[in-house]
Amino acid sequence: ELKVEQNPLFLSMQEGKNYTIYCNYSTTSDRLYWYRQDPGKSLESLFVLLSNGAVKQEGRLMASLDTKARLSTLHITAAVHDLSATYFCAAPSKGSGAGSYQLTFGKGTKLSVIP
Amino acid sequence: DVKVTQSSRYLVKRTGEKVFLECVQDMDHENMFWYRQDPGLGLRLIYFSYDVKMKEKGDIPEGYSVSREKKERFSLILESASTNQTSMYLCASSLGQGVAGSYNEQFFGPGTRLTVL
Repeated sequence: ELKVEQNPLFLSMQEGKNYTIYCNYSTTSDRLYWYRQDPGKSLESLFVLLSNGAVKQEGRLMASLDTKARLSTLHITAAVHDLSATYFCAAPSKGSGAGSYQLTFGKGTKLSVIP
Repeated sequence: DVKVTQSSRYLVKRTGEKVFLECVQDMDHENMFWYRQDPGLGLRLIYFSYDVKMKEKGDIPEGYSVSREKKERFSLILESASTNQTSMYLCASSLGQGVAGSYNEQFFGPGTRLTVL
């Protein structure tokens, strides 16, 4: 059974600082997904990492994937208040039906950026 | 843009009622999913469907059933609602495995916050 663990679960950081969120998963996978959720809203796709060594960046967020270590990181550079949200990582697994494919999500990291 | 819509943003029902949550996607996606989200527990998969009339149990299917009669629509049914089913319900869809351009990225609807009294 696939397990996805994120840490930390809560992160309070000052504006301008850097930090990294870690996502470990328990079974082999060649891809990993990151989502963002604002309070009271639904999940929005941030990054899809499709292979070992993949790195994607958007603004102050950069995600990377190490499939050998079963680890993905989401690095925040010079945080700003607008980045306050909950961030989820998710890893895929196949279902029993042909063509079925599902995601298992971590519990999420609630990020608060303080001015 | 992919659009996933859910029939209600907020819903209040009484214990024992039959509840239908509807989800519609407009991107011809093969896969559709129902999750519930609770504080401290993250997202948990209830059911998913990888084709019309095909469904598969997720991690917490007890107390729920689903229906997918058309490709664009996936319904979650609570046969007899109970207070422990009070939660945020999220629907998502994705392209099928093996479809060109598919990365199995899931796109989420706005959510339905269900309260069972």
